[in-house]
Amino acid sequence: ETGVTQTPRHLVMGMTNKKSLKCEQHLGHNAMYWYKQSAKKPLELMFVYNFKEQTENNSVPSRFSPECPNSSHLFLHLHTLQPEDSALYLCASSQEWGRAFYNEQFFGPGTRLTVL
Amino acid sequence: TQLLEQSPQFLSIQEGENLTVYCNSSSVFSSLQWYRQEPGEGPVLLVTVVTGGEVKKLKRLTFQFGDARKDSSLHITAAQPGDTGLYLCAGAGAGNNRKLIWGLGTSLAVNP
Repeated sequence: ETGVTQTPRHLVMGMTNKKSLKCEQHLGHNAMYWYKQSAKKPLELMFVYNFKEQTENNSVPSRFSPECPNSSHLFLHLHTLQPEDSALYLCASSQEWGRAFYNEQFFGPGTRLTVL
Repeated sequence: TQLLEQSPQFLSIQEGENLTVYCNSSSVFSSLQWYRQEPGEGPVLLVTVVTGGEVKKLKRLTFQFGDARKDSSLHITAAQPGDTGLYLCAGAGAGNNRKLIWGLGTSLAVNP
């Protein structure tokens, strides 16, 4: 595998389900991100991890729970989601130096999530 | 609140035509990135511009960063169907706040 991979590519879940999205980066980067992409909205940054430490949580509802066990893997645990959470969830990674966050981002293909 | 406005939102042209898309803000950015996103995929970085007035070329694509580092343009010469996609710009804040601000994107369709 190369680049940034995400699984699953598509997910349909009910509002009472619990599911997890997985992201793996094979680029040796030290920062990973979760973004939400919805129609007619700019990309929304959800979480940032730098060297496995969460450095940003942009007021994301607690029904989204991130986990970063190491600098190559990132998970997004989902529970009791709402229909308005349906969107494309993108994982990205970058190489950061010090606090110079948000350098060039390398994205995975995304997980298309539908909440019924 | 920093905003990045992209125009036009949608563009449908014939193969061989030239086009320009714009990314504008009232805020100053330390750098600006352009990405292309194809259906069912994540955005892919095309270029980063850093210096005011900078021009970068990537084959038929020409990117320019405004002198004041508040705006940028992407010009495509002789567009091809393979150029079809969503073009996104993202500006990195100046100073200590390097957070990326994303535009809504320009959806380009190049018809054969």
